[in-house]
Amino acid sequence: QQPVQSPQAVILREGEDAVINCSSSKALYSVHWYRQKHGEAPVFLMILLKGGEQKGHEKISASFNEKKQQSSLYLTASQLSYSGTYFCGTEEEDSNYQLIWGAGTKLIIKP
Amino acid sequence: DGGITQSPKYLFRKEGQNVTLSCEQNLNHDAMYWYRQDPGQGLRLIYYSQIVNDFQKGDIAEGYSVSREKKESFPLTVTSAQKNPTAFYLCASSIRGFNQPQHFGDGTRLSIL
Repeated sequence: QQPVQSPQAVILREGEDAVINCSSSKALYSVHWYRQKHGEAPVFLMILLKGGEQKGHEKISASFNEKKQQSSLYLTASQLSYSGTYFCGTEEEDSNYQLIWGAGTKLIIKP
Repeated sequence: DGGITQSPKYLFRKEGQNVTLSCEQNLNHDAMYWYRQDPGQGLRLIYYSQIVNDFQKGDIAEGYSVSREKKESFPLTVTSAQKNPTAFYLCASSIRGFNQPQHFGDGTRLSIL
C-alpha cells in the first residue's frame, strides 16, 4: 500500500525550514528519500534504517519512527537548489526488495 | 563514470505499434527496475528483475514486456495492448537486497502520434 506523504506542496522563502512527512500502514525495513527536479530523474538523498542508522546527504536530515512507521525529512535553511519534488519510498518487510513510492511533495523555494 | 543510460530520450508511437525502450547500466548491479511516471504523479513499478534471466511483474505490467538476458541490460517493450502509453519511463538499478539506494537513468518520454 502506498505510503502517504504530507504536505502535498509547500512554498518557502530562501532560508526557511520545511518538514516533509511519510507515513505507512505496514511494518518497514527502511525508508528512502529522493528528490526529483522537473523533467529529470529522481536523485537519492537518504536511507533510514530500522535501528536508527542513516545513510545519505550531509545537509538534509531525517528521522524514522519504526513503531509508528513514519519518517520525516527536515530541510533547514533552505536554498534555491532544494526546489523539486520529494518522494519517499518504503521497504516493507515482505516486499521482495521493492520500494513502494509515495505520491510526492512539491517544494518551491522563492528568493 | 558508472551510470545508467536510457535511450531514446523521446519516443513517438503510432497506433498498433510496439516500441522498445533501452536501459543499460555499468554499475555491476544485479537488480533493475522499470517505472512509469504520469504528470504530477509518483512512480509506479512496471517490472523488476533481481537477477539475469528472471523478472517479476510490478503493479502495472499489463501491456508491457521485458527481458533480462544480460546483467547490464533490461529493455522494456511497450506493446500495442497498452492503450495509454504516454508517460515518462524511468529505469533504475541497485545492488540486490534491502536498504540499497536505487540509481536512475535520465528517462524516456513516450508520446502517441
